[in-house]
Amino acid sequence: DAGITQSPRHKVTETGTPVTLRCHQTENHRYMYWYRQDPGHGLRLIHYSYGVKDTDKGEVSDGYSVSRSKTEDFLLTLESATSSQTSVYFCAISEKKREVYNEQFFGPGTRLTVL
Amino acid sequence: ILNVEQSPQSLHVQEGDSTNFTCSFPSSNFYALHWYRWETAKSPEALFVMTLNGDEKKKGRISATLNTKEGYSYLYIKGSQPEDSATYLCALGDVDYGQNFVFGPGTRLSVLP
Repeated sequence: DAGITQSPRHKVTETGTPVTLRCHQTENHRYMYWYRQDPGHGLRLIHYSYGVKDTDKGEVSDGYSVSRSKTEDFLLTLESATSSQTSVYFCAISEKKREVYNEQFFGPGTRLTVL
Repeated sequence: ILNVEQSPQSLHVQEGDSTNFTCSFPSSNFYALHWYRWETAKSPEALFVMTLNGDEKKKGRISATLNTKEGYSYLYIKGSQPEDSATYLCALGDVDYGQNFVFGPGTRLSVLP
């Protein structure tokens, strides 16, 4: 199994509070991603990173920010959590070898509930 | 935003039946297609990486084909078993999207014993 961990695994918070989710990898992969999983939508990309301090927005980035200060860590922050951000969040990593973007490896997920 | 479609949305089959489902995608800037298997309460795991038109990949009882010119991929499961029950996702790689693959909504397969 690829070495990807997410913390916390479960979190319940209140509307308006800031929340930070952490993704940690031991694979030294260049690319990291944050997705959210919602019924009827599958996996939707929030933000991604293509290197240390190199990040960009995905499909559903409003209300989220990210940071990547080290290769191994990718943080997702909800500045002021809303109930619509209740979801399961997955981190993923991938690498590019011989000009091919390889498959993504996913972390175990974080279940976030915003009351 | 790229539209990746999967059909059917869900499928119930009896143990031992063979089944297949479809991933459809716009084909103009195709780069690669990934298939993932996603069991309930777990994380998606990659099954196949497909890049060439006409590609056929196989892993045990599961196989996949790719037609980039018409924009579809089929996933086949031969002799379904209860442990095959999962959601199967396809993800499209497009030249304009770089390393960001666009996921389809998935096909949820339930294999009844």
